[in-house]
Amino acid sequence: EAQVTQNPRYLITVTGKKLTVTCSQNMNHEYMSWYRQDPGLGLRQIYYSMNVEVTDKGDVPEGYKVSRKEKRNFPLILESPSPNQTSLYFCASSREGLASYEQYFGPGTRLTVT
Amino acid sequence: AQSVTQPDIHITVSEGASLELRCNYSYGATPYLFWYVQSPGQGLQLLLKYFSGDTLVQGIKGFEAEFKRSQSSFNLRKPSVHWSDAAEYFCVLTTDSWGKLQFGAGTQVVVTP
Repeated sequence: EAQVTQNPRYLITVTGKKLTVTCSQNMNHEYMSWYRQDPGLGLRQIYYSMNVEVTDKGDVPEGYKVSRKEKRNFPLILESPSPNQTSLYFCASSREGLASYEQYFGPGTRLTVT
Repeated sequence: AQSVTQPDIHITVSEGASLELRCNYSYGATPYLFWYVQSPGQGLQLLLKYFSGDTLVQGIKGFEAEFKRSQSSFNLRKPSVHWSDAAEYFCVLTTDSWGKLQFGAGTQVVVTP
């Protein structure tokens, strides 16, 4: 089954404790992206990647890191999480960019930083 | 800088009635525009997209949207809503084939019997 998976689905952590949220897709997609969803703000793009080893900042990259060493994986790293990073996070992938192909979204990861 | 606005935060509609969700954008040229739907507790699903050409776009689940350059709008419509259409709807804009996406704040649709 074609899908985007995220782990963990739920995470409660404390301020400053490094964490990684994994994202994996099995569709051989080139484009992958991370978003955070906050009430009243819609989804905001954190980082995106157009291919292996090619990443760029979205609108809200501060406090986050990403890497794209393999085509299928695009982990989101929070080196020192803070309470303002409490949010619902979505990973998405697309076959070749955005103009021609839809994005497929993962199920989301709900992160709480205390 | 480009932006996308959804003026209605919340809409309540009766089952069987028509639905129109508004989306306005700000950009100097024609952007790529999308409508996504997020059902409760779910990820997002693409309803339809506009890049160029015919300004009336048909999507899945009986939805359509009309691009109006003069009004900088891309409104989503459905002639007759079903209870399963209760969800949050996002208008999305990008200005290039690869890269940044901008989401509107979303419109929550409630369907009453």
